[in-house]
Amino acid sequence: DAKTTQPNSMESNEEEPVHLPCNHSTISGTDYIHWYRQLPSQGPEYVIHGLTSNVNNRMASLAIAEDRKSSTLILHRATLRDAAVYYCILRDFLAGGTSYGKLTFGQGTILTVHP
Amino acid sequence: EAGVAQSPRYKIIEKRQSVAFWCNPISGHATLYWYQQILGQGPKLLIQFQNNGVVDDSQLPKDRFSAERLKGVDSTLKIQPAKLEDSAVYLCASSLEPGMNTEAFFGQGTRLTVV
Repeated sequence: DAKTTQPNSMESNEEEPVHLPCNHSTISGTDYIHWYRQLPSQGPEYVIHGLTSNVNNRMASLAIAEDRKSSTLILHRATLRDAAVYYCILRDFLAGGTSYGKLTFGQGTILTVHP
Repeated sequence: EAGVAQSPRYKIIEKRQSVAFWCNPISGHATLYWYQQILGQGPKLLIQFQNNGVVDDSQLPKDRFSAERLKGVDSTLKIQPAKLEDSAVYLCASSLEPGMNTEAFFGQGTRLTVV
């Protein structure tokens, strides 16, 4: 399985932007980059995903490097409710592949938001 | 739409006893995942179903864990006999066909304590 590397923890102040990095140097051409987050005592929830182009949704933005070996999740204005563990995951979308659709979580980045 | 339902929410058993967890995925979702999350770690994939067939069970301890997904809808995960190290949160998730590359939706999880 393709691996991702994230910092163990990051801190931010409320209402400031947060940039959460992820390295995935062994990414394959059929891997999408997914981000999930897990709030305390809850199951993970989807944040955003992309393949090559930058993506925006109501929760966040995803900036993908041109060579696809790294990506950055951007929270434009952090709130206290954004304090969570953020996971960067590579998900294979090629049917028949051995890791088809698999979601493999790493340790993630613990984001602390200060008021 | 209704989310992924799991039961029970909490379970305490003695070691060597057996336990079963139930999951009802979102209607129409072909892919179902079971994860084990030990405190302080990211979720670890135990088994992935595509409809009622197993796609990946490489990390399922088959000597004591079993899972089934009858008729491609509900699923149960069983542990028999339980060990102390099985204490964890067991998460169920579902998604549409992986090829559509949509997000996975997670349930609240079942917190298992083995004493």
